[in-house]
Amino acid sequence: NAGVMQNPRHLVRRRGQEARLRCSPVKGHSHVYWYRQLPEEGLKFMVYLQKENIIDESGMPKERFSAEFPKEGPSILRIQQVVRGDSAAYFCASSPPGYSLNTGELFFGEGSRLTVL
Amino acid sequence: GQQLNQSPQSMFIQEGEDVSMNCTSSSIFNTWLWYKQDPGEGPVLLIALYKAGELTSNGRLTAQFGITRKDSFLNISASIPSDVGIYFCAGLSGATNKLIFGTGTLLAVQP
Repeated sequence: NAGVMQNPRHLVRRRGQEARLRCSPVKGHSHVYWYRQLPEEGLKFMVYLQKENIIDESGMPKERFSAEFPKEGPSILRIQQVVRGDSAAYFCASSPPGYSLNTGELFFGEGSRLTVL
Repeated sequence: GQQLNQSPQSMFIQEGEDVSMNCTSSSIFNTWLWYKQDPGEGPVLLIALYKAGELTSNGRLTAQFGITRKDSFLNISASIPSDVGIYFCAGLSGATNKLIFGTGTLLAVQP
């Protein structure tokens, strides 16, 4: 998976708690994408970030979900007051500066699996 | 929103058989990608297609970018047990710069 690191790999939370998922992109990559995969479904786009900027958050629920990609450190996907329906695998992908529409090659991490009890 | 319909949903085949799966869209895409996902892992890129009509091979895998830019297919020849997994097509939208994934095809290979 070309170096995209996600942690934790597995996270269990009770309803109402907060979940924080971290993604360290491939070294030198400045674009991060978050996708959610519900059981037995495909990946659904959530948010696209560059360093310190949210470029496209059209796939992210308006409430309880937020994402950031600070100048230093990993990208964080934060889910507040989790509910059972948030249980899913959350994947992060990264791409380099000057990412071209003609390449399309996103490198995915191994995912963080959130289970809400 | 943009949707990718992938078929079949699942396939159960014997080792050595050839496999074909396809993906159709209501929208035009600039790039088509095919990924494989093993259980508990992230998607791994298999083949990328950048031009309408393009036919690209990667070992036993062959994929084509449809002329209309609204479809793509993936063929796997002489399947082996390690081909087992879920195969996803993905289209890159030039308008939004994000990948849209298909619903996936589950492949099971009987040794």
